[in-house]
Amino acid sequence: DQQVKQNSPSLSVQEGRISILNCDYTNSMFDYFLWYKKYPAEGPTFLISISSIKDKNEDGRFTVFLNKSAKHLSLHIVPSQPGDSAVYFCAASAASNTGKLIFGQGTTLQVKP
Amino acid sequence: KAGVTQTPRYLIKTRGQQVTLSCSPISGHRSVSWYQQTPGQGLQFLFEYFSETQRNKGNFPGRFSGRQFSNSRSEMNVSTLELGDSALYLCASSPGGEKLFFGSGTQLSVL
Repeated sequence: DQQVKQNSPSLSVQEGRISILNCDYTNSMFDYFLWYKKYPAEGPTFLISISSIKDKNEDGRFTVFLNKSAKHLSLHIVPSQPGDSAVYFCAASAASNTGKLIFGQGTTLQVKP
Repeated sequence: KAGVTQTPRYLIKTRGQQVTLSCSPISGHRSVSWYQQTPGQGLQFLFEYFSETQRNKGNFPGRFSGRQFSNSRSEMNVSTLELGDSALYLCASSPGGEKLFFGSGTQLSVL
């Protein structure tokens, strides 16, 4: 049973445009959500997170939106840059399960110059 | 501040052998978690240690074990290696267990 799903394996956008990556979850106990960026054979790099008490969090070009009723979150990257090309993972955790993140399968983002 | 350091970076073993991987967390972080990444299963949680105690465990067989030392450094051990254990093993540290910071991983190949 996949509790965190990223239904789009890949996404291609033009440099300067907006990239929107989506993530759905099924476990209502999740109360903290994170986005990570990953290159092959390297560890994930933390991008941005959001607590379930918020519906939006911004950090520079990255904004995460959380819709609890739909159990859906999204990551917006504006403007997209070629250096953003990587695999993006969303992850979720519950307060009762510290240190344990449930990851989605990832979305490969390609930003074309 | 130095990041999470994992050693070795690459490892080749044969079936039936055992392996020990090492992780040094970010200074001041008391929580260390381990994850396995494979192409088919993605990133999966192995276990988490906090102040030398295993606080959380994933759904992996008993061949996978770990420990944490008083300086927060951690090791994980895999005994009786199987071909399916070939993976990127990632260690992550955190001040308290939520926002995780990952190391570069140990790429294990089992032949």
